[in-house]
Amino acid sequence: GAGVSQSPSNKVTEKGKDVELRCDPISGHTALYWYRQRLGQGLEFLIYFQGNSAPDKSGLPSDRFSAERTGESVSTLTIQRTQQEDSAVYLCASSLGVGDTDSPLHFGNGTRLTVT
Amino acid sequence: AQSVTQLGSHVSVSEGALVLLRCNYSSSVPPYLFWYVQYPNQGLQLLLKYTTGATLVKGINGFEAEFKKSETSFHLTKPSAHMSDAAEYFCAVRGDTGRRALTFGSGTRLQVQP
Repeated sequence: GAGVSQSPSNKVTEKGKDVELRCDPISGHTALYWYRQRLGQGLEFLIYFQGNSAPDKSGLPSDRFSAERTGESVSTLTIQRTQQEDSAVYLCASSLGVGDTDSPLHFGNGTRLTVT
Repeated sequence: AQSVTQLGSHVSVSEGALVLLRCNYSSSVPPYLFWYVQYPNQGLQLLLKYTTGATLVKGINGFEAEFKKSETSFHLTKPSAHMSDAAEYFCAVRGDTGRRALTFGSGTRLQVQP
């Protein structure tokens, strides 16, 4: 596809369950980002992947959160033992990578997670 | 650490009036600055960016922003608001070396009154 694709678009889960969110970046984009947007708030950085470098995990809020990326393609964000405060829209973005510090991010439409 | 402050979580203007959305940043190195827009039920999209060179940057839909280093500001303006400009606007910075991810402000929701 032409843009960043995220699935599912909506996810409702019970407190304590694990969830997996998927992101397909734009082909050729070596950088991939996950952000979280709580209702009425700004974007909160979670994690950043760049090629084969070690990911920047400095934004992950707890050890219940983890993310993986296969090469320069699909990424999965996993939240274990979900809590109600995890309810938010999870946004994925991709961009051209190394040497393109001014390259813009291209965002997906997000996954709206609701923890009941 | 880099940070962004957007003054005013909600701004309301009349159609045809000037739009001014404020953004101040902090960065230990010369920053790259961005404005993104999020229309209702759509993903974020780039409005404009400043990297180097000319400090007045023009973007899509008639928006522009001016980088003022002395004021550490990157305010977004549009001379005449249109109803279709109603959206949420986010300012973002990529500055500090080693931190490649963008840091976003908390957003400003623009309402345009007929």
